[in-house]
Amino acid sequence: KAGVTQTPRYLIKTRGQQVTLSCSPISGHRSVSWYQQTPGQGLQFLFEYFSETQRNKGNFPGRFSGRQFSNSRSEMNVSTLELGDSALYLCASRAYWGAVDSPLHFGNGTRLTVT
Amino acid sequence: AQSVTQLDSQVPVFEEAPVELRCNYSSSVSVYLFWYVQYPNQGLQLLLKYLSGSTLVESINGFEAEFNKSQTSFHLRKPSVHISDTAEYFCAVSTYTGNQFYFGTGTSLTVIP
Repeated sequence: KAGVTQTPRYLIKTRGQQVTLSCSPISGHRSVSWYQQTPGQGLQFLFEYFSETQRNKGNFPGRFSGRQFSNSRSEMNVSTLELGDSALYLCASRAYWGAVDSPLHFGNGTRLTVT
Repeated sequence: AQSVTQLDSQVPVFEEAPVELRCNYSSSVSVYLFWYVQYPNQGLQLLLKYLSGSTLVESINGFEAEFNKSQTSFHLRKPSVHISDTAEYFCAVSTYTGNQFYFGTGTSLTVIP
């Protein structure tokens, strides 16, 4: 079974631009979560989608948004990029929202650098 | 709200020595506990999990963790580490309250030859 796939692996953007990251969950998994990882802040939860609806949201500004498609694939978008948005963005999937006894399965992440 | 505390941000240890990475959580409800490992430029990989039953859980690569409900801890141990164990380790908790996962800040394990 293929794992969680994130594209692209690396991105370099300029301050003020916007960016879209993509995530394909494990086949059969319908819940997708996004995390931001930085050396100073560690892993920070962005949001989780299930059945094309946002179910949980972390404490990030509105510049960070996401969506989920009917095939469970998910995208996250960051608008008006700031230098502080440079981070590793991780996507994780689980079978369904509410499956708290099932582990999250992570992709290898997208490394975003904002210059 | 739940919280997870990993008491050591960095742990250096010599090869073939034992190691313990500490994790404490705060929760008044039933929890599920996980340890993840992250190698450079990769995502997090599940190392082991505690859902119910025996309080001692083991992974396939020699790590083990013990759930201690009274001390709200889930420490990770390995009796003899290898160079390849050098990585970042994250403890995580999930509960039905809030229906989400909570991660610790991570412990960087460095194995010294």
